[in-house]
Amino acid sequence: DAKTTQPTSMDCAEGRAANLPCNHSTISGNEYVYWYRQIHSQGPQYIIHGLKNNETNEMASLIITEDRKSSTLILPHATLRDTAVYYCIVRVGGTSGSRLTFGEGTQLTVNP
Amino acid sequence: EAGVVQSPRYKIIEKKQPVAFWCNPISGHNTLYWYLQNLGQGPELLIRYENEEAVDDSQLPKDRFSAERLKGVDSTLKIQPAELGDSAVYLCASSLGSGADTQYFGPGTRLTVL
Repeated sequence: DAKTTQPTSMDCAEGRAANLPCNHSTISGNEYVYWYRQIHSQGPQYIIHGLKNNETNEMASLIITEDRKSSTLILPHATLRDTAVYYCIVRVGGTSGSRLTFGEGTQLTVNP
Repeated sequence: EAGVVQSPRYKIIEKKQPVAFWCNPISGHNTLYWYLQNLGQGPELLIRYENEEAVDDSQLPKDRFSAERLKGVDSTLKIQPAELGDSAVYLCASSLGSGADTQYFGPGTRLTVL
């Protein structure tokens, strides 16, 4: 699976959009981009994933560049409960049960 | 619908003692994973089960770690004997097991070895 690069930490004001970047310049054509987050003392929580099109769900939006070498997770209206470590993971699609390779992620702190 | 259940949530033992962790995956999920998470790092896969078969255990330290998933549902991860360096959070996850499936994690068991 391709390696990802994320900033170590970011801050965001409550109610504002949080934009978390991720670089995955060596991503292959069959690799998906996944985002998970981990709130303190909890297990990782799935947020969203995509292949090449932008995706949106009730939690967030995922914007993938046309060359697929980077992506941005957008939390449109961040709340204090969104404070967590956010992991960007690339993973081969169509592979039943393949492992998730976590990096160190981005610590997002939402401030009041 | 219930999520992935793990017990205990916390465990403190002395080194050289045995310890076991239990995981009950989401109903209907055929694939089960055990991950290890050291402080300040992301989780790392220890073992993956497809039903009752361990299909990826390359990262499991087999001299002291063992796991089983009898009947393809619940799973137990054991350490015997525990060492100081085993202090970590042990996470269980499950997925349906088809295609680019999503993994759902339990809350983890925090192990402290004294």
